[in-house]
Amino acid sequence: TQLLEQSPQFLSIQEGENLTVYCNSSSVFSSLQWYRQEPGEGPVLLVTVVTGGEVKKLKRLTFQFGDARKDSSLHITAAQTGDTGLYLCAGVYAGNNRKLIWGLGTSLAVNP
Amino acid sequence: DTAVSQTPKYLVTQMGNDKSIKCEQNLGHDTMYWYKQDSKKFLKIMFSYNNKELIINETVPNRFSPKSPDKAHLNLHINSLELGDSAVYFCASSPGYRSEKLFFGSGTQLSVL
Repeated sequence: TQLLEQSPQFLSIQEGENLTVYCNSSSVFSSLQWYRQEPGEGPVLLVTVVTGGEVKKLKRLTFQFGDARKDSSLHITAAQTGDTGLYLCAGVYAGNNRKLIWGLGTSLAVNP
Repeated sequence: DTAVSQTPKYLVTQMGNDKSIKCEQNLGHDTMYWYKQDSKKFLKIMFSYNNKELIINETVPNRFSPKSPDKAHLNLHINSLELGDSAVYFCASSPGYRSEKLFFGSGTQLSVL
């Protein structure tokens, strides 16, 4: 059962633009992770959020965990070509803390 | 040094063959995983081992058999390969069994002809 929905599925923008991608669920997660995957490589962990309402910043990337711990967003300011990749969210379901539930990802292309 | 390394990077084989993918991690992690990523980029957990003990075994055909000789290694053997097995297979590790921080290998692109 797919529990995490990511939107948009695809995003193509120009360098310098801002963007936000979303990760939504009807279930509560004890923690949520964001990964970036580049072609031919495995996903790389960007951040983990664990507290409802938490905001974490990683340079130009801002991650937010929803108050109810059912959703999250990733905002990128002044996107660069190096931000191109597949952004995946994954949550540890509160009812089963052994298995990560994955979203389908947002494929981001930042054009020069 | 690569933290999670898997070999081979590419595997092209005929239907019906048996093949293995090897994975090693030098992070000192207790838990290792095998994931399958399909053409739509969906990551599906196949197996997870914690200190050599199988803790997650998803609904995977029994042609797939993981083996963990020690906690730094988790290999995947696939018998009687089928066309539908074509995908990218990722090995990953994490410090504990709660999947809270995964480190992935660079993947094995399996093509079954």
